[in-house]
Amino acid sequence: GQQVMQIPQYQHVQEGEDFTTYCNSSTTLSNIQWYKQRPGGHPVFLIQLVKSGEVKKQKRLTFQFGEAKKNSSLHITATQTTDVGTYFCAGIFRDSWGKLQFGAGTQVVVTP
Amino acid sequence: DAGVTQSPTHLIKTRGQQVTLRCSPKSGHDTVSWYQQALGQGPQFIFQYYEEEERQRGNFPDRFSGHQFPNYSSELNVNALLLGDSALYLCASSLGDTTQYFGPGTRLTVL
Repeated sequence: GQQVMQIPQYQHVQEGEDFTTYCNSSTTLSNIQWYKQRPGGHPVFLIQLVKSGEVKKQKRLTFQFGEAKKNSSLHITATQTTDVGTYFCAGIFRDSWGKLQFGAGTQVVVTP
Repeated sequence: DAGVTQSPTHLIKTRGQQVTLRCSPKSGHDTVSWYQQALGQGPQFIFQYYEEEERQRGNFPDRFSGHQFPNYSSELNVNALLLGDSALYLCASSLGDTTQYFGPGTRLTVL
């Protein structure tokens, strides 16, 4: 079946360090979206990537979509305590109009 | 401009009972999707409603049903509750197949 896999499952980061979370799909995606969920909260939309090879930046966050539209990454530089939470990638496969297939998420813990 | 709202915020039921969860979409949105999020996992797609019709459905049994009203609000119904139905139920709204915005969720506990 169509699956989205995400690694790592957990990420312990020292404040100020960088880290990357990776997302891979079994088949080509129409687009991929990234969400952040704080503990006890709900997923909050961060960004959507649509084009092959697309790179988007939001302050310290850099999002990439692979050339084959089967993988994506989120890179955070100079991690802050406010970055704590679980980051999910969610892909939309072709012909699955609006059905988000979520990865398992990367839970980020930041040590001051 | 209110975002996506859901009610109730928390709910406790016993096995075999039925439950109805409600969602009001963000203003201007016409599509509502429902997701189930078990503890420590990513949200799992249940189904999506557009123009009062179920447009897409995930791998959930028929015990899970829904409805969309003319004002675009939606309900999720779950019959014959099982312990495994305990989860956070999330509603997301969008304008067609554009970005989905999630509500705060309903935490369902089945005892």
